Amino acid sequence: ETGVTQTPRHLVMGMTNKKSLKCEQHLGHNAMYWYKQSAKKPLELMFVYSLEERVENNSVPSRFSPECPNSSHLFLHLHTLQPEDSALYLCASSHLAYNEQFFGPGTRLTVL
Amino acid sequence: AQKVTQAQTEISVVEKEDVTLDCVYETRDTTYYLFWYKQPPSGELVFLIRRNSFDEQNEISGRYSWNFQKSTSSFNFTITASQVVDSAVYFCALSDPRYNYGQNFVFGPGTRLSVLP
Repeated sequence: ETGVTQTPRHLVMGMTNKKSLKCEQHLGHNAMYWYKQSAKKPLELMFVYSLEERVENNSVPSRFSPECPNSSHLFLHLHTLQPEDSALYLCASSHLAYNEQFFGPGTRLTVL
Repeated sequence: AQKVTQAQTEISVVEKEDVTLDCVYETRDTTYYLFWYKQPPSGELVFLIRRNSFDEQNEISGRYSWNFQKSTSSFNFTITASQVVDSAVYFCALSDPRYNYGQNFVFGPGTRLSVLP
């Protein structure tokens, strides 16, 4: 595997379900990010992890819970989501010194 | 506050035409980075280029070229002899390198380019 991978690629869940999104980067980067991309809205940064520590939380509701167990893996735990949370969730990684972010293919989430 | 504007929401061209995607940015910082990303229908954002604020030299990579003009706060992207595979949403982004963790990465709203055969 190369680059940034995300699983699952598609997810449909009910409002009472609990699910997790997984992201893995194979680039040796030391920062990872979660973004939300909704229709007709700019990309929204949700969380930033650097060296496995969370350094940014952009006022994201608590029904989204990130986890970064090591520098290669990032999870987004979901519970009691709302239909308006339906979106494409993108994971990215970067090397702190170089700044450009490399993105995974995203998870298309639908909340019923 | 930093801001990126991409005034063209959608552009349609016929294959082999040249097309320019506009990007205008706002920042009070003297040091910053600018980026272009491509998002094909598959969803993954593909990094195209990074330019720092001290380097105003234009860049060409194959059919792609970028024109950075600090005087007008613009970083425009031109595709020469467009192809159907160029159809995608293109994002311009701005980052302040003082923030080590990229938490201030600001994306523009994107321009959807459709190249028709």
